[in-house]
Amino acid sequence: EVVLTQSPGTLSLSPGDTATLSCRASQSVSSSYLAWYQQKPGQAPRLLIYNRSNRATGISDRFSGSGSGTDFTLTISRLEPEDFAVYYCQQYSNSQWTFGQGTKVEIK
Amino acid sequence: QLQLVESGGGLVKPGGSLRLSCAASGFTFSDSFISWIRQAPGKALEWVAHIDGSGNIKYYGDSVRGRFTVSRDNAKNSVYLQMNSLRADDTAVYYCARGRSYGSIWGQGTMVTVSS
Repeated sequence: EVVLTQSPGTLSLSPGDTATLSCRASQSVSSSYLAWYQQKPGQAPRLLIYNRSNRATGISDRFSGSGSGTDFTLTISRLEPEDFAVYYCQQYSNSQWTFGQGTKVEIK
Repeated sequence: QLQLVESGGGLVKPGGSLRLSCAASGFTFSDSFISWIRQAPGKALEWVAHIDGSGNIKYYGDSVRGRFTVSRDNAKNSVYLQMNSLRADDTAVYYCARGRSYGSIWGQGTMVTVSS
């Protein structure tokens, strides 16, 4: 099983800042199979990025994904109040999904 | 409107059974992989199982294999998760999502509580 480790656990930032979230895999992940989600309290996760760097429908261009191999990054530029939430990375391999433990982006 | 709606959650005793449903609308259901993902209170997401469009290909997470069974009825645009031998650590919100390698559409979730 591929284990995904996200860092930091919590990111304290101000509106207008840039958030850089890391997702590290225990073994190499195909870039085609790395996704990022946003989850707000009491809500279902929402797909942000798929296949490492493709934005889902309706997702702002302030969200961008990058990386390869075992190291992937979600960057959120010019943080808006609605961006403060928990973010999860997820990979697909051997017909299974695994998720990271999440990074909380909170208002400083 | 692309939509998934889960139902069937509730309170069940340890060792009991429950069947969850996921009803789809707004897309070609029979072409779609559907996955089940759960989230224990205050915890991260955990993938549970998924099923291909035909219902012939099914995969399960290690923690539920042998206890949970995923199935679908394309005539009803629905996917089901039969959960047997439930344990306290199965307590979670259960989501269904569309997609093989990632979840493009998610339902709102249904809560399952396993407690005596």
